[in-house]
Amino acid sequence: NAGVTQTPKFQVLKTGQSMTLQCAQDMNHNSMYWYRQDPGMGLRLIYYSASEGTTDKGEVPNGYNVSRLNKREFSLRLESAAPSQTSVYFCASSSVGTGGVGGYTFGSGTRLTVV
Amino acid sequence: TQLLEQSPQFLSIQEGENLTVYCNSSSVFSSLQWYRQEPGEGPVLLVTVVTGGEVKKLKRLTFQFGDARKDSSLHITAAQPGDTGLYLCAGVYAGGTSYGKLTFGQGTILTVHP
Repeated sequence: NAGVTQTPKFQVLKTGQSMTLQCAQDMNHNSMYWYRQDPGMGLRLIYYSASEGTTDKGEVPNGYNVSRLNKREFSLRLESAAPSQTSVYFCASSSVGTGGVGGYTFGSGTRLTVV
Repeated sequence: TQLLEQSPQFLSIQEGENLTVYCNSSSVFSSLQWYRQEPGEGPVLLVTVVTGGEVKKLKRLTFQFGDARKDSSLHITAAQPGDTGLYLCAGVYAGGTSYGKLTFGQGTILTVHP
């Protein structure tokens, strides 16, 4: 089925460890996004990639890095995990230029706990 | 920082009741979307509105975009337990170089009791 695939679904890290969250979409979308979701705060944009080869910071980029590996794949890296990064992470994709109108397609999320 | 205020945050009702969820901002949107999210899953798009005053219906759900494109509402008629979930509004702000970036409201957790 077409869509956005995220791996892993669950992860527990110790403070200071690093990890990469993977995201791939097969809808030929140009734009991809990483959001985090915390109770009572909706979804907050971490980083986005308007098109292959470009990345930009969102609302809460500190402590994260991203790589737009190709048109399909957009990864999120935590270099030194902190308890404040405990959250549910969502990757999404949309068509460029019409992202707001066309709507986002979301993955099913990665639930990350940092202890 | 542009804010998108969604209310109420929690809503607990009986099956058959009607409800309305509101989404407000001081800024103008070029488009606004409503999503529904179930536990353990990502949000799923319900509707997109782009024209001030626009009304869209999806079965028992009615979505309205304010004339000034600063607010929106979601009305559910005769709610059913299957409507239970997290409802999120999200908007693309007019102007700037947003590349279609969505700003999300805090969400409304709806529980419909049988």
